[in-house]
Amino acid sequence: AQTVTQSQPEMSVQEAETVTLSCTYDTSESNYYLFWYKQPPSRQMILVIRQEAYKQQNATENRFSVNFQKAAKSFSLKISDSQLGDTAMYFCAFVDGGATNKLIFGTGTLLAVQP
Amino acid sequence: GAGVSQSPRYKVAKRGQDVALRCDPISGHVSLFWYQQALGQGPEFLTYFQNEAQLDKSGLPSDRFFAERPEGSVSTLKIQRTQQEDSAVYLCASSLALTLGSPLHFGNGTRLTVT
Repeated sequence: AQTVTQSQPEMSVQEAETVTLSCTYDTSESNYYLFWYKQPPSRQMILVIRQEAYKQQNATENRFSVNFQKAAKSFSLKISDSQLGDTAMYFCAFVDGGATNKLIFGTGTLLAVQP
Repeated sequence: GAGVSQSPRYKVAKRGQDVALRCDPISGHVSLFWYQQALGQGPEFLTYFQNEAQLDKSGLPSDRFFAERPEGSVSTLKIQRTQQEDSAVYLCASSLALTLGSPLHFGNGTRLTVT
């Protein structure tokens, strides 16, 4: 069965500093996608970044980047120059296709950016 | 509307009551998902529609849960004879394409509290 593990329930970072959130996953598939979603108190899940397993180059979106280690099944998120608005729950998620394309989520990491 | 719309935003039900939660996906989106998110947890898959066809309902926790999307747009998740363990946030998400890795667009969810 596919699983996604986030081992850090909570993290804290000072404004303008860099923080890395960890994620590991398990699958026997060769092609799949990995995602990081952000969930602020409004509850809406917002896509932060996406990585295709076939692409060796790590995805980057402005201040957000990933470290994708396929052999180790690791997919960490780095947030540079942290801002107060980055405070939220962050979920790592995985999809490997099949008939439904459904996302499997980890349990989340609560990130608090301190002023 | 521009995004996925869910209503009501909050619902309080007495144990044993039936509830209906509505999801208005982004216009033209083929795929529609329902997720259940317990407090402090990641979202868990409930069911999936492709247009009006319910292709996967493997995540529905019991036969008290029923979902429909009769015209391939608006979807309703119905919970009969609610129990306290049904208390959670119910998230709806839609996607334009069927291809692997197509981003999901989430609504703000409905927080259901069963007393």
